[in-house]
Amino acid sequence: DAGVIQSPRHEVTEMGQEVTLRCKPISGHDYLFWYRQTMMRGLELLIYFNNNVPIDDSGMPEDRFSAKMPNASFSTLKIQPSEPRDSAVYFCASSLRTGISYTFGSGTRLTVV
Amino acid sequence: GEDVEQSLFLSVREGDSSVINCTYTDSSSTYLYWYKQEPGAGLQLLTYIFSNMDMKQDQRLTVLLNKKDKHLSLRIADTQTGDSAIYFCAETADTDKLIFGTGTRLQVFP
Repeated sequence: DAGVIQSPRHEVTEMGQEVTLRCKPISGHDYLFWYRQTMMRGLELLIYFNNNVPIDDSGMPEDRFSAKMPNASFSTLKIQPSEPRDSAVYFCASSLRTGISYTFGSGTRLTVV
Repeated sequence: GEDVEQSLFLSVREGDSSVINCTYTDSSSTYLYWYKQEPGAGLQLLTYIFSNMDMKQDQRLTVLLNKKDKHLSLRIADTQTGDSAIYFCAETADTDKLIFGTGTRLQVFP
């Protein structure tokens, strides 16, 4: 398996633009997580899905952020409109029922100018 | 609520042992983990320990768990420059999500 695949690896966009981050989990993993990493806040869980259904989105910062998982092999995190304070590295992770199988993608480094 | 705390920095000389500490608040933690993040990369699972264990050894890594004090440590023997990275402690409790600490930046100097 190729692991958790995220795209793009880097994204630079202007303030106010829509940004879409993509994630392909490991086949067979039924949990998918979106995290954000910044120097100030460290790693924050934004939202997670189980069997494509959002379970906990309490970490989503505000209504500008939305996440979808239309099928078991694909998820998106969208920011609209983007702001400079959204600049961070966004990680996707997937797992089976137990945490031992948590696998992270390489992340998307987002810069909003 | 769930909270996981770590010291921010640790600096050691090559060949010495490193000890990275972590405290957590959730007494229902089932698994506790150590992840490593190298510059520009994602998080890589190093090792984990189940909450009914108090020690686990894996080559140069030793994990100690004091459940009474809710304290977890990672010892790296014979620390090498390639061990320089950020180390995250994490836990899962009765939910499915992984709660991470703030991360400890380990710097190894010759």
